[in-house]
Amino acid sequence: SQELEQSPQSLIVQEGKNLTINCTSSKTLYGLYWYKQKYGEGLIFLMMLQKGGEEKSHEKITAKLDEKKQQSSLHITASQPSHAGIYLCGAAYYGNNRLAFGKGNQVVVIP
Amino acid sequence: DGGITQSPKYLFRKEGQNVTLSCEQNLNHDAMYWYRQDPGQGLRLIYYSQIVNDFQKGDIAEGYSVSREKKESFPLTVTSAQKNPTAFYLCASSRRGDSYEQYFGPGTRLTVT
Repeated sequence: SQELEQSPQSLIVQEGKNLTINCTSSKTLYGLYWYKQKYGEGLIFLMMLQKGGEEKSHEKITAKLDEKKQQSSLHITASQPSHAGIYLCGAAYYGNNRLAFGKGNQVVVIP
Repeated sequence: DGGITQSPKYLFRKEGQNVTLSCEQNLNHDAMYWYRQDPGQGLRLIYYSQIVNDFQKGDIAEGYSVSREKKESFPLTVTSAQKNPTAFYLCASSRRGDSYEQYFGPGTRLTVT
C-alpha cells in the first residue's frame, strides 16, 4: 500500500495565482522532505520539516508540517513559470534509514 | 563544485544485454541510493548502501545488481533478468543516518528494445 499520498495529482494555475499541494502519510513521520523535479532531470532539494507545526519558507515557497506529523502542505505565492514542474515529497520514518517517496504533484503555470 | 554525476544521460540497449549505469559523488557522503522512476509511479528504491562494501535491497531489487567498492562510486547493473528495464534511473547520496537530505544526480534514461 502507498504510504504517502500526494494531492492533487496535477494542477494548472495562471501566473500570479497562489497554489497549494499536499502530502499525507499513513504513519507518523520522523521527517518530511520536499523536492522539485523538471521533466527528465534530477530532484532538487527544497525544504525539510521535522517538528510538528514547523513552517519554513524560501522565496515564494512555504512548507508546513502539521502537529500530528502526518501531513505537509507546500504553498506557492504568486506563481511564476519557473515554479512549473513535479513536486515530490519524501518521508523518513522512525527506525527506517531510507526515504519513501510519493508519486508527485505536477504543476503547470500558464503565462 | 561538489555533486553527483551520472553517465550517460541516455542509454540504449538491446534486450538480453546487461548494462551498467555509473554514479559518482564527491560530497564525501557515506550513503548512496538507486531509484527507478516510471511515469505516474514516483520513485521506487532499487538498492542502497550505507557504507563501503555493504548494500541492501530496496523494494524492487530483482533483476538489478550493485557494488560499492569505493565511497565515491555506486554502479548499478541492469541485468537481462529485469523484465521491464526501460525507465529513468536516479542515483542519490546522503550523509549516513535517516535525517539528512538526499542529493540527486541528473539521471540516466535507459531504453531497451
